[in-house]
Amino acid sequence: DQQVKQNSPSLSVQEGRISILNCDYTNSMFDYFLWYKKYPAEGPTFLISISSIKDKNEDGRFTVFLNKSAKHLSLHIVPSQPGDSAVYFCLRGSTLGRLYFGRGTQLTVWP
Amino acid sequence: ETGVTQSPTHLIKTRGQQVTLRCSSQSGHNTVSWYQQALGQGPQFIFQYYREEENGRGNFPPRFSGLQFPNYSSELNVNALELDDSALYLCASSLGQVETQYFGPGTRLLVL
Repeated sequence: DQQVKQNSPSLSVQEGRISILNCDYTNSMFDYFLWYKKYPAEGPTFLISISSIKDKNEDGRFTVFLNKSAKHLSLHIVPSQPGDSAVYFCLRGSTLGRLYFGRGTQLTVWP
Repeated sequence: ETGVTQSPTHLIKTRGQQVTLRCSSQSGHNTVSWYQQALGQGPQFIFQYYREEENGRGNFPPRFSGLQFPNYSSELNVNALELDDSALYLCASSLGQVETQYFGPGTRLLVL
């Protein structure tokens, strides 16, 4: 049972532009969502989260939007930088502490 | 402050063998979760340990087992290895069961 789906395996964006990474979920019963990013040979690192009672959460260049009616969330990175190039995972979190990962989207930011 | 460490970084085993992977949690963290990431997939939850007790398990067979020690470090044991067990195994520690999880770099296991 895939709790979250990332349908785009890759995204390429020019430096300075906006990166938009998308994620869909199938289960209406959720607690919160998170985004993690992963560089090669490193473990995933926490980026930003959003609870079910919010529509938006912002942290510097990173903003996550939650559209409950569409069961969709997105991560916006503005402006994108070459150091943002990584695999981005959309996750669902639960009160049990389990994390359910999407398949990930490889973001490439080129100069 | 030392982050989450895992050992070994890589290993190769043959079908039917047993393997033990190790994880040292971040200082002060009492919860450890294990994930399996197959090629081209997102990490899948295996199980979580909280204060030395198993606290939830994903859809993995009993040949996947674990331990958490009094210092909160943890082991993942896999018996009767199968080819499909080839994957990156990630360990994550946290201050509690639902707190932010901090991941180690993983152990890459290849089963031949």
